[in-house]
Amino acid sequence: ETGVTQSPTHLIKTRGQQVTLRCSSQSGHNTVSWYQQALGQGPQFIFQYYREEENGRGNFPPRFSGLQFPNYSSELNVNALELDDSALYLCASSPGSRKNEQYFGPGTRLTVT
Amino acid sequence: SQQGEEDPQALSIQEGENATMNCSYKTSINNLQWYRQNSGRGLVHLILIRSNEREKHSGRLRVTLDTSKKSSSLLITASRAADTASYFCATDGTSNTGKLIFGQGTTLQVKP
Repeated sequence: ETGVTQSPTHLIKTRGQQVTLRCSSQSGHNTVSWYQQALGQGPQFIFQYYREEENGRGNFPPRFSGLQFPNYSSELNVNALELDDSALYLCASSPGSRKNEQYFGPGTRLTVT
Repeated sequence: SQQGEEDPQALSIQEGENATMNCSYKTSINNLQWYRQNSGRGLVHLILIRSNEREKHSGRLRVTLDTSKKSSSLLITASRAADTASYFCATDGTSNTGKLIFGQGTTLQVKP
């Protein structure tokens, strides 16, 4: 167990809807990164938050947005859901001084119908 | 786009055999990491190898890195059924930002 939790575990949404996924970081970690993993693929970097500010973004459209709170927990919001957004969404927390030392949560499985 | 490419995509072996997975990457790196993922769940960090290291061991795991060929390999010795999982290599290049780019993974099945 990494100490990183995500909720919900599973989620089913309809195309066009909006979804919010949540992540609780490991204690003492001020950096969180979000990844999207399509079935049979490796995770793809969505964005990273460091001390409540976005700190880099992958090749994802603006309808993917995030927040990081003062307690370093985080949200991933996706608007106008598309069928291709169906995936496992993973968050990973890390200490700010060692951002590549990432501890992953169990993921949220999102299905868009 | 994927930074790493794993080879093979799938591997099936008997318990007790060794399993070797390879990863190739495209850019210069400071380090490379290997992760395991069980049944579409979260990723578990296995080992990190730095660019100035050629080989690293952790228990039954042995990782090698050849920066001239931009490739790495993960060897699992004396495999067990519990090693059945997908294995990914990942790197953030030379940025040390933690914005990891993963390969597509190798799915390992260890038959009892």
